[in-house]
Amino acid sequence: NAGVMQNPRHLVRRRGQEARLRCSPMKGHSHVYWYRQLPEEGLKFMVYLQKENIIDESGMPKERFSAEFPKEGPSILRIQQVVRGDSAAYFCASSLNRENEQFFGPGTRLTVL
Amino acid sequence: SQQGEEDPQALSIQEGENATMNCSYKTSINNLQWYRQNSGRGLVHLILIRSNEREKHSGRLRVTLDTSKKSSSLLITASRAADTASYFCATDNNNAGNMLTFGGGTRLMVKP
Repeated sequence: NAGVMQNPRHLVRRRGQEARLRCSPMKGHSHVYWYRQLPEEGLKFMVYLQKENIIDESGMPKERFSAEFPKEGPSILRIQQVVRGDSAAYFCASSLNRENEQFFGPGTRLTVL
Repeated sequence: SQQGEEDPQALSIQEGENATMNCSYKTSINNLQWYRQNSGRGLVHLILIRSNEREKHSGRLRVTLDTSKKSSSLLITASRAADTASYFCATDNNNAGNMLTFGGGTRLMVKP
């Protein structure tokens, strides 16, 4: 049973470009969470999704950031017109239901030049 | 202090010694989870302790939870060099979003 998978593991973008980060949850998990981690800091919640629904996006910037979790396929975190401040590690986690442990993927390290 | 704040921020011990890390939080919780992160890597789930539990063990790990003091501790016994990592506590605050709120972490170094 594969764990949470994220790709790409490393992503380099120039300012103004778009970044697309993908997350495939663990088999059987329908709850997906995205977190962002700046260097030497803890993770900060961004968004919580269930299949085809955004449950809570209170941690996500209002502009340029969007997330989806379609019926088929991985969850996507999309950052439009990236800026240097978007450089961070982005982690996805999944859980079986909302009371259970969240299992994390290896993260995508985004570098904006 | 922030929800889920660890103490100390950094800890350096010799192999074989025990390591104790503490976590304090502010609001009521459903559960509290401890994670380990090796440098540049993802998070590994260690233990989940629910609000109605006081202590939990897993191998060399022991977690306690005191809801009256809003604090938790993670004890690693007989530490090994491979335990060198950052350790984070994260609280599930019974919010609609089921988000985890992480502290800044304790950076543990175990010297061989």
